[in-house]
Amino acid sequence: DSGVTQTPKHLITATGQRVTLRCSPRSGDLSVYWYQQSLDQGLQFLIQYYNGEERAKGNILERFSAQQFPDLHSELNLSSLELGDSALYFCASSLTGNTEAFFGQGTRLTVV
Amino acid sequence: DAKTTQPNSMESNEEEPVHLPCNHSTISGTDYIHWYRQLPSQGPEYVIHGLTSNVNNRMASLAIAEDRKSSTLILHRATLRDAAVYYCILRKAGGTSYGKLTFGQGTILTVHP
Repeated sequence: DSGVTQTPKHLITATGQRVTLRCSPRSGDLSVYWYQQSLDQGLQFLIQYYNGEERAKGNILERFSAQQFPDLHSELNLSSLELGDSALYFCASSLTGNTEAFFGQGTRLTVV
Repeated sequence: DAKTTQPNSMESNEEEPVHLPCNHSTISGTDYIHWYRQLPSQGPEYVIHGLTSNVNNRMASLAIAEDRKSSTLILHRATLRDAAVYYCILRKAGGTSYGKLTFGQGTILTVHP
């Protein structure tokens, strides 16, 4: 158990819909990272937050957004979903940018 | 971001040592060398990291070349549970990309009984 909790574990939704993925980081960790893993793309960095502020952005689509709340949990919002958004979404947390990152078990999103 | 190059796949026998190489010829002075692995159907897992000196922990050892342009992850005695995709990642110690982990394709390690 990494200490990072992601909910839900599985999500099936229709095209055009909007979903919210939730991540609770390890206690005390200030940085949260979101990744997307699909079969053909590997692990793609989406976005990073540090203590509530956006720190780095990867190839995150405009239809996707995220935030980190004062209690440090984070949410990834995916809207106008397309079939190609079907993937595993991982959240990770670390105390700082230099310390090891711990990954959750992921949310498997299926868009039908 | 500085890039890493790893072999696509490697094989090993159980209880034998495994040396997983990684080339990072464009590494900068502020880049830490991190290794993560991903077991089937799981999230990535931290293995080890270092800056200049060789590092050891309970999972593995990391040997870093003197010029830092390459490194080797050493699993001293491979077990079936070590079968995974191993990622070598350069992680910046500062700047706007501070902390970001950029995953490449990694090395698929197969361990034979």
